Amino acid sequence: GAVVSQHPSRVICKSGTSVKIECRSLDFQATTMFWYRQFPKKSLMLMATSNEGSKATYEQGVEKDKFLINHASLTLSTLTVTSAHPEDSSFYICSAPLGSETQYFGPGTRLLVL
Amino acid sequence: QKEVEQNSGPLSVPEGAIASLNCTYSDRVSQSFFWYRQYSGKSPELIMSIYSNGDKEDGRFTAQLNKASQYVSLLIRDSQPSDSATYLCAGRLSSGSARQLTFGSGTQLTVLP
Repeated sequence: GAVVSQHPSRVICKSGTSVKIECRSLDFQATTMFWYRQFPKKSLMLMATSNEGSKATYEQGVEKDKFLINHASLTLSTLTVTSAHPEDSSFYICSAPLGSETQYFGPGTRLLVL
Repeated sequence: QKEVEQNSGPLSVPEGAIASLNCTYSDRVSQSFFWYRQYSGKSPELIMSIYSNGDKEDGRFTAQLNKASQYVSLLIRDSQPSDSATYLCAGRLSSGSARQLTFGSGTQLTVLP
């Protein structure tokens, strides 16, 4: 099946620093990618839709200046958590749709902000 | 009403039994549905999709969709301990991005050996 990769898989950083997470579709092109966050024992929360060649669409309550999204190419989207704080610690997962229906998820990035 | 609702469980079944996972959805969700399995600490993986009324079988898994009742379910036959995971029901929103999915809160399944 289709493969979506994420890097890094785990990151620990100090409060106030910025962290960049990459999401790549490995064997297909994705003009749209989705970014989710998930807290322990909670469901996925859609943060934003990343659009190649245009601005990302953010969900209500998600700060676009804090979570910067850049869809640099048809196979790469990046999420930068700026000035990270401990409450930003979470599991961040990207997904990319293949065709009109199916979405494939990346393996996720676990962020811990100290 | 949430767009997609699931019983959060936990649901426990003995090995070899049938596990039944249920999901209801609102009018804001279109008629495309997906079941994802998520192991602890991992990202979701797609198990099945269903678009038409009725049953769809794939190995030990059967997805059922009832549009009149706005109800979708997943049956796991001959449950194995390796099936222990959280199962997420997802549907496509009728509005917004054509590819955007909305997820239920997930049902935690434990298969007891």
